[in-house]
Amino acid sequence: GENVEQHPSTLSVQEGDSAVIKCTYSDSASNYFPWYKQELGKRPQLIIDIRSNVGEKKDQRIAVTLNKTAKHFSLHITETQPEDSAVYFCAASSYNTDKLIFGTGTRLQVFP
Amino acid sequence: EPEVTQTPSHQVTQMGQEVILRCVPISNHLYFYWYRQILGQKVEFLVSFYNNEISEKSEIFDDQFSVERPDGSNFTLKIRSTKLEDSAMYFCASSFRGWNTEAFFGQGTRLTVV
Repeated sequence: GENVEQHPSTLSVQEGDSAVIKCTYSDSASNYFPWYKQELGKRPQLIIDIRSNVGEKKDQRIAVTLNKTAKHFSLHITETQPEDSAVYFCAASSYNTDKLIFGTGTRLQVFP
Repeated sequence: EPEVTQTPSHQVTQMGQEVILRCVPISNHLYFYWYRQILGQKVEFLVSFYNNEISEKSEIFDDQFSVERPDGSNFTLKIRSTKLEDSAMYFCASSFRGWNTEAFFGQGTRLTVV
């Protein structure tokens, strides 16, 4: 069945460093890949998404890359700040469904 | 900014009891969802709803679960006879166009079954 794997489960970085979170999906029909940020006790919020017709997308300090052949997509955060500390979830959905299959989450801690 | 709102924020119920979780999606959205997150685990899809009917459901969404849009604004999830393993955070979400578009999540209802 559909599955999304996410690594690492925890990530600690120094403020100003970069952080990279990687996901792998199993369903070759997947064509939409959002990333959600969930702060403690709050709702998941979309931070960036990418569709399968694009290899890379950037929004200020956040970028996402997609390798359809390898079924990999990654989140890159540059110049990390303490307020980036949260749990990040990748997700995938395919053209014939609107459900999101989530990864297991990465807890990012940015130390000042 | 419009938000998806959920009530209650926390519900404690005895095993075997029925619970109804309530959601008010964003007003012009047409697609509605329920997801759940067991503590420390990933967010899991339960059901999607469009045009007053279920469009898709997961294997988790068995006969104990039902959804309803009783009026033009509310979207509810009912669990008929709760089990201990139903304890989780339940998120409602909505989107305007469905697939390939952003799903906006509510703040969640933490359900504790004792």
